[in-house]
Amino acid sequence: DAGVTQSPTHLIKTRGQHVTLRCSPISGHKSVSWYQQVLGQGPQFIFQYYEKEERGRGNFPDRFSARQFPNYSSELNVNALLLGDSALYLCASSGHDRAGELFFGEGSRLTVL
Amino acid sequence: AQKVTQAQTEISVVEKEDVTLDCVYETRDTTYYLFWYKQPPSGELVFLIRRNSFDEQNEISGRYSWNFQKSTSSFNFTITASQVVDSAVYFCALSEFNAGNNRKLIWGLGTSLAVNP
Repeated sequence: DAGVTQSPTHLIKTRGQHVTLRCSPISGHKSVSWYQQVLGQGPQFIFQYYEKEERGRGNFPDRFSARQFPNYSSELNVNALLLGDSALYLCASSGHDRAGELFFGEGSRLTVL
Repeated sequence: AQKVTQAQTEISVVEKEDVTLDCVYETRDTTYYLFWYKQPPSGELVFLIRRNSFDEQNEISGRYSWNFQKSTSSFNFTITASQVVDSAVYFCALSEFNAGNNRKLIWGLGTSLAVNP
């Protein structure tokens, strides 16, 4: 069975640009969460979606947005990129029957120059 | 507010040594979940264990064991007879118990473990 897949794996952008990151959850999982992990730190919660509805939002500016599609895949969008947005962006999916157990993808490493 | 503290930023051991990774948490919730995840150099976070606050029984899985002490708000992780493949960053995390479909985890800063041959 395929795990959580994310694309792209690496990307480089310049300040002010926009980026879209994509995530496909494990088959059967309806919940997708996004985390930002800056080098040397733990992941920080950005968003969680369940059944295409936003269920949680972390302390991130409005430049960050996300959505979930009918097939439960998800996109994370970041506008007006700043140098501080450089990080590993992790997507996690979870099934309803395993409270709190998140399955993570390998992440998308974003570098903003 | 919820908080997870992993005081050890880096640990270096020689293969076959036992090593304990500390985790202390803060929460006002009476029920909650605690987790440990492993992050190897590839970047993918690998789930190791989930413990709910009702269950203070210690758990052993092969070379891994976990000591949950609610009285001291600690959830420590011990690797027995460490191996080079155990080298990774280990994260402790906390979430609400009755989160429904919410899956927000609060993470520690991680402990980087280096197991040398």
